[in-house]
Amino acid sequence: KQEVTQIPAALSVPEGENLVLNCSFTDSAIYNLQWFRQDPGKGLTSLLLIQSSQREQTSGRLNASLDKSSGRSTLYIAASQPGDSATYLCAVSRPPGSARQLTFGSGTQLTVLP
Amino acid sequence: DADVTQTPRNRITKTGKRIMLECSQTKGHDRMYWYRQDPGLGLQLIYYSFDVKDINKGEISDGYSVSRQAQAKFSLSLESAIPNQTALYFCATSDTGTVNEQFFGPGTRLTVL
Repeated sequence: KQEVTQIPAALSVPEGENLVLNCSFTDSAIYNLQWFRQDPGKGLTSLLLIQSSQREQTSGRLNASLDKSSGRSTLYIAASQPGDSATYLCAVSRPPGSARQLTFGSGTQLTVLP
Repeated sequence: DADVTQTPRNRITKTGKRIMLECSQTKGHDRMYWYRQDPGLGLQLIYYSFDVKDINKGEISDGYSVSRQAQAKFSLSLESAIPNQTALYFCATSDTGTVNEQFFGPGTRLTVL
């Protein structure tokens, strides 16, 4: 059974700091890995998707990396802003047709202080 | 307008009541999913549907049923709600391409008293 772990569960940083969120998974046979942002009262917003054949993806101030062999992914946020405050979830996908489409971690709650 | 919508956004009900949560999407995707999220935990898959005639159980389907009324509509029902079904429920969609990126609705907060 695939298990996804995110450490730390909560993180507080001053504005402007660069930071890294961690995600680890137990089964390296993944199809892709997705990073989401969750704001209170709102749904999940997809930030980045890394396919299993890729090592990283970038979008603006966000960079996600994937190391399948070690079962790890990181989300790097550059020059953090208070608007980045949210819960960040990672999820790994098995190939379409599998019973468990996405397995989620429990998230890292990020607070960026002004 | 949002691509994936859910109704209602909030619902309080009593034990034993039948509840239906609805999801609609305008993304034109064939695949739709229902997840639940408990406080401090990740999302768990309840049911998923690859097209109107293909519905499958997820990890935690007991106590739930679904209906895929059309490509754009996927409903989740709790036949007899119980307090431990109090959670945040999300609907999601994805296309049939190889990427399988999922897009989520805003969620329905359900409280069962």
